[in-house]
Amino acid sequence: AQSVTQPDIHITVSEGASLELRCNYSYGATPYLFWYVQSPGQGLQLLLKYFSGDTLVQGIKGFEAEFKRSQSSFNLRKPSVHWSDAAEYFCAVGYNNNDMRFGAGTRLTVKP
Amino acid sequence: DTGVSQDPRHKITKRGQNVTFRCDPISEHNRLYWYRQTLGQGPEFLTYFQNEAQLEKSRLLSDRFSAERPKGSFSTLEIQRTEQGDSAMYLCASSLGLSYNEQFFGPGTRLTVL
Repeated sequence: AQSVTQPDIHITVSEGASLELRCNYSYGATPYLFWYVQSPGQGLQLLLKYFSGDTLVQGIKGFEAEFKRSQSSFNLRKPSVHWSDAAEYFCAVGYNNNDMRFGAGTRLTVKP
Repeated sequence: DTGVSQDPRHKITKRGQNVTFRCDPISEHNRLYWYRQTLGQGPEFLTYFQNEAQLEKSRLLSDRFSAERPKGSFSTLEIQRTEQGDSAMYLCASSLGLSYNEQFFGPGTRLTVL
């Protein structure tokens, strides 16, 4: 069955530190992969997406993610976290043109 | 603002009442999606329209739920005989095109069923 797993429910990092949020998926073919961010009271905003090609994708706000087929992973990274990055982050996998499955999310807290 | 809008932003209702939510997508987007998000979970797909046609419904969408997009523009999601388990954030998203394109999300409607 198709699924998306975000193993970390909550992560706390210090401002300026590096960040990696984990995402693993289960799917028989190459999926479409997405990372969204959700701030309180705001809609989900797309950070980046992977469809094919270069497995390292760059997104907005200084985020990047790497697709690793052998590990069925699509981890999100940022070299230096800012206080404004505190939010909920969702990994999502698209299985066809319509259906997108989201992980349960990782809540990021940034310490000053 | 030309993003996806949803109305109302919050709705409190009593169990057994009917509620209706509205979503206005980005004007040129032909695809419109409804999701439900409960606390501590990611959004779950409910249904999807291409123009005015409802092309897919999740098994999460029970008979009490109905969605319409009568003119291929705005959409409504109605829940009849609400239950406490319906309490959630209902998200609408829209996208453009036939291939897999970015879905733009609205701010959501938070439903509380007492």
